Amino acid sequence: GDKVKQSPSALSLQEGTNSALRCNFSIAATTVQWFLQNPRGSLINLFYLVPGTKENGRLKSAFDSKESYSTLHIRDAQLEDSGTYFCAGSNYNVLYFGSGTKLTVEP
Amino acid sequence: EAAVTQSPRNKVAVTGGKVTLSCNQTNNHNNMYWYRQDTGHGLRLIHYSYGAGSTEKGDIPDGYKASRPSQENFSLILELATPSQTSVYFCASGELGGQNTLYFGAGTRLSVL
Repeated sequence: GDKVKQSPSALSLQEGTNSALRCNFSIAATTVQWFLQNPRGSLINLFYLVPGTKENGRLKSAFDSKESYSTLHIRDAQLEDSGTYFCAGSNYNVLYFGSGTKLTVEP
Repeated sequence: EAAVTQSPRNKVAVTGGKVTLSCNQTNNHNNMYWYRQDTGHGLRLIHYSYGAGSTEKGDIPDGYKASRPSQENFSLILELATPSQTSVYFCASGELGGQNTLYFGAGTRLSVL
């Protein structure tokens, strides 16, 4: 089965609203990364997390290794936040990806 | 800034033909990875390597071989390409652990007709 389950698979937000994405891990993930894939297909690293939380502007992420999940919160969504968000959990030297959340921010 | 270069960027192959995708990194990373991306599946790990001469199977290795002749280069080989291998392939390098992330190439779009 899937090592990383990501939800929701798609999300539509009005500009200025907030939302959260979630990943559940069936592996013993030791670190988590969140990526944004832009329309050109490039993967942009948003966060690298050991257990705990990090914040960067309107984005905040948390990783709970004991409960095996991670979240990405988007505050005050903007049009440029649109894209596909991937979480990935690492186990030893391998990174396993979720199937992505396609986010559309509408005016 | 870490640099991972993939070639070719686009490739059209015929069923049954041999395809080689190349990846070069200039950051002296020990670990390199090949993933494929398909709609609904995210990125799935095909093969990875811990260093020159080593290759390891990922989650979906069937139909693929890998080669790591040097620290810098990691190739993905499709000996007998099939239409089901039509996908976007990403190479990455990095040393997971500490505060280190993976660095990804720009991707190779492969179509097998």
